[in-house]
Amino acid sequence: NAGVMQNPRHLVRRRGQEARLRCSPMKGHSHVYWYRQLPEEGLKFMVYLQKENIIDESGMPKERFSAEFPKEGPSILRIQQVVRGDSAAYFCASSRLGVDGYTFGSGTRLTVV
Amino acid sequence: QKEVEQNSGPLSVPEGAIASLNCTYSDRGSQSFFWYRQYSGKSPELIMSIYSNGDKEDGRFTAQLNKASQYVSLLIRDSQPSDSATYLCAVNRNTGNQFYFGTGTSLTVIP
Repeated sequence: NAGVMQNPRHLVRRRGQEARLRCSPMKGHSHVYWYRQLPEEGLKFMVYLQKENIIDESGMPKERFSAEFPKEGPSILRIQQVVRGDSAAYFCASSRLGVDGYTFGSGTRLTVV
Repeated sequence: QKEVEQNSGPLSVPEGAIASLNCTYSDRGSQSFFWYRQYSGKSPELIMSIYSNGDKEDGRFTAQLNKASQYVSLLIRDSQPSDSATYLCAVNRNTGNQFYFGTGTSLTVIP
């Protein structure tokens, strides 16, 4: 069981570029969650997806951020026109509904220069 | 009011002592409670889950839940330097919904 796979581990983007973060959930998990963590801060919920559906995006900024979890392939978190304030660690987690806690991926550290 | 509150620490305990980490939550309807450990620069790792009032023990770790007081705690017995990390409390309102995380308590175990 490969666990939750995130890539890339590190991503550097210039201001104004697009960032694409990928997440493949654990085998048997159909629920994907994206969280953002800033230094010295807690994990902030962004979005909860199931296959082909966004269940809860209440934590997503209204502009520039989007997420998808297609029928085939990984979940994608997309950040358009990145700004320095987007620099953070982005963690993906997956779960089986109602069973145990999340399992987190290793995260993507986004740096905007 | 924050959904989940933890003392940020840092908490320092000598090796072999008991470390006590505390967490309170605001939503009385919360159903599931979790403790995660996060080493610096790493991802959170689930170490304990608890769903009903009382104590739950797993090796050196004991989670305690008091729903009436809206309080969750984690005890680490015989603390080891390898336990030095940030401990995150997480609360889930309903099955399948998002978890709310506290900001974490930094624990240092001094050899």
